[in-house]
Amino acid sequence: GNSVTQMEGPVTLSEEAFLTINCTYTATGYPSLFWYVQYPGEGLQLLLKATKADDKGSNKGFEATYRKETTSFHLEKGSVQVSDSAVYFCALLKAAGNKLTFGGGTRVLVKP
Amino acid sequence: GAGVSQSPSNKVTEKGKDVELRCDPISGHTALYWYRQSLGQGLEFLIYFQGNSAPDKSGLPSDRFSAERTGGSVSTLTIQRTQQEDSAVYLCASSRRTGTGGYEQYFGPGTRLTVT
Repeated sequence: GNSVTQMEGPVTLSEEAFLTINCTYTATGYPSLFWYVQYPGEGLQLLLKATKADDKGSNKGFEATYRKETTSFHLEKGSVQVSDSAVYFCALLKAAGNKLTFGGGTRVLVKP
Repeated sequence: GAGVSQSPSNKVTEKGKDVELRCDPISGHTALYWYRQSLGQGLEFLIYFQGNSAPDKSGLPSDRFSAERTGGSVSTLTIQRTQQEDSAVYLCASSRRTGTGGYEQYFGPGTRLTVT
């Protein structure tokens, strides 16, 4: 079946540091890949997406590239801010299916 | 525009009682999903509705769980004879279900259910 594995947190960083959250997936066919973010006390928000190999999703300074050869979709940001403190979820959606399969989430804490 | 709304935001119930959770999707979105977020299980798919098609119930954990969607819009998730392991945040999402790829799902704020 489908699965998503992402690095466990918490990840603690200083402001302006570089952030990488690793995400790998297992799926048949060609899934779409997503990163969702959950800020403290809020609901899940779509951060970025990629629908085919080599696509790069980007939003709010975050980027992730769909790498089919390594089945990965790592999230990166060059200079984090305190406001980026949140839980980040990697997820996949099979092209012919409807349900999102989520990774376990990675908590990120950015300190000033 | 208005996002996905859910009610109530919090629900505390006694073990054995029935509860109903409501979801109002984004206007024009034809697909509606329920997920559950719990400490032990992470984010799990429960059920999916698309238009007039039969719902995909493959994620419902037991026959105590059911859901309906009336008029292709509002959905209600019902949990009968609640158990303590049902305590979780229940999330609703909707999507426009575009023809190719994407299928971006937009989530509501969730209902936090606590079974005592």
